[in-house]
Amino acid sequence: AIRMTQSPSSFSASTGDRVTITCRASQMISTYLAWYQQKPGKAPKLLIYDASTLQSGVPSRFSGSGSGADFTLTISSLQSEDFATYYCQQYYSYPPLTFGGGTKVEI
Amino acid sequence: QMQLQESGPGLVKPSETLSLTCSVSGGSISNSNYYWGWIRQPPGKGLEWIGNIYYSGSASYNPSLESRVTISVDTSKNQFSLRLSSVTAADTAVYYCARHAHTIKYYFDSWGQGTLVTVSS
Repeated sequence: AIRMTQSPSSFSASTGDRVTITCRASQMISTYLAWYQQKPGKAPKLLIYDASTLQSGVPSRFSGSGSGADFTLTISSLQSEDFATYYCQQYYSYPPLTFGGGTKVEI
Repeated sequence: QMQLQESGPGLVKPSETLSLTCSVSGGSISNSNYYWGWIRQPPGKGLEWIGNIYYSGSASYNPSLESRVTISVDTSKNQFSLRLSSVTAADTAVYYCARHAHTIKYYFDSWGQGTLVTVSS
């Protein structure tokens, strides 16, 4: 199975900050990568797919980049509603589909 | 607007079988464009894909759980179900049902709210 490693596992930030979260795959996955946002007690929400395509309705302050094995999720100006945990997921090799361990963005 | 809703017992005894159902509304589970899947999340931990199923009944499972998992579909009820046998405390988690495309685009664009299943005697 492809292992997805996110860094950092958590960090503190302030409203207005530019935030970058990284995700590394244990092998090359082209751009078969999605990012999700999860708030406490809620289901994950799809933000980005194909590494850089914004899901409909997601604010443009979210962006994704990368290909191969290294990927980033960037929030250009952190808003209060963006404090959450973010997960990456690969869909290059299946089964299984695999997720990163998550990155918690805290105030 | 597609909606998914999990249902089933919130408490299961060790060694017994966990059974959950996902009811789909706002669209047909027989839509050939989608697969229907289960993902779980132990308390305070990350996400683990359990498996998925196509409306035809073709299913795939996570190799780490394959020996204990069965996913089935009932198109007449617009539902699909999860059975996980021989459960232990390690199977305590929030269980989500979700949808992904039938093509290689296996990312989840629609999720249920999740249901907590606790394994305890």
